Amino acid sequence: EAAVTQSPRNKVAVTGGKVTLSCNQTNNHNNMYWYRQDTGHGLRLIHYSYGAGSTEKGDIPDGYKASRPSQENFSLILELATPSQTSVYFCASGDWGNYAEQFFGPGTRLTVL
Amino acid sequence: GEQVEQRPPHLSVREGDSAVIICTYTDPNSYYFFWYKQEPGAGLQLLMKVFSSTEINEGQGFTVLLNKKDKQLSLNLTAAHPGDSAVYFCAVREDTNAYKVIFGKGTHLHVLP
Repeated sequence: EAAVTQSPRNKVAVTGGKVTLSCNQTNNHNNMYWYRQDTGHGLRLIHYSYGAGSTEKGDIPDGYKASRPSQENFSLILELATPSQTSVYFCASGDWGNYAEQFFGPGTRLTVL
Repeated sequence: GEQVEQRPPHLSVREGDSAVIICTYTDPNSYYFFWYKQEPGAGLQLLMKVFSSTEINEGQGFTVLLNKKDKQLSLNLTAAHPGDSAVYFCAVREDTNAYKVIFGKGTHLHVLP
């Protein structure tokens, strides 16, 4: 049973449109993360959350908002999508502890035309 | 903050050969390290986690070596097979922000039959 799921798996959006990417985890982890993956850049952190109601800016938050309405759900919102936001987006969950390792969802491929 | 360099970006080996991927990090206070494997169209799968007091970890068909003196982390696939073909990422947990992980840019490993 997949512990971190993302929807949609693929999305085509138009420039200027609003896009919402959703993530659900059944790990009961406190922390959740949104990354984007681009060739030549690896994974870059956009937003993260320590728990329901909290969101924190990562390394590249401009143009993105995040929402954590519950322990299980974490959304990434592009209010005005631009072609530069075409990418593969990954959600991850993790917990407190020494390692604090992260567990990833399958990814969402977003194309902004 | 922590910076991670990973090499090589691309690696092709024959089935049965060994393959070595090396990551170099900058913060001598880093203690927790990870290797992830990403198969085509999938998310990142945690392969191994390493704590600074452990110099060598062994998994199924691979060895992870941590050299704190040189601030290097390596992944050695001892006898690669086609199923090992994937992108491999190293990751280092930041010392100053325990819930932030810095990823290398990845190594595309191709195992030829």
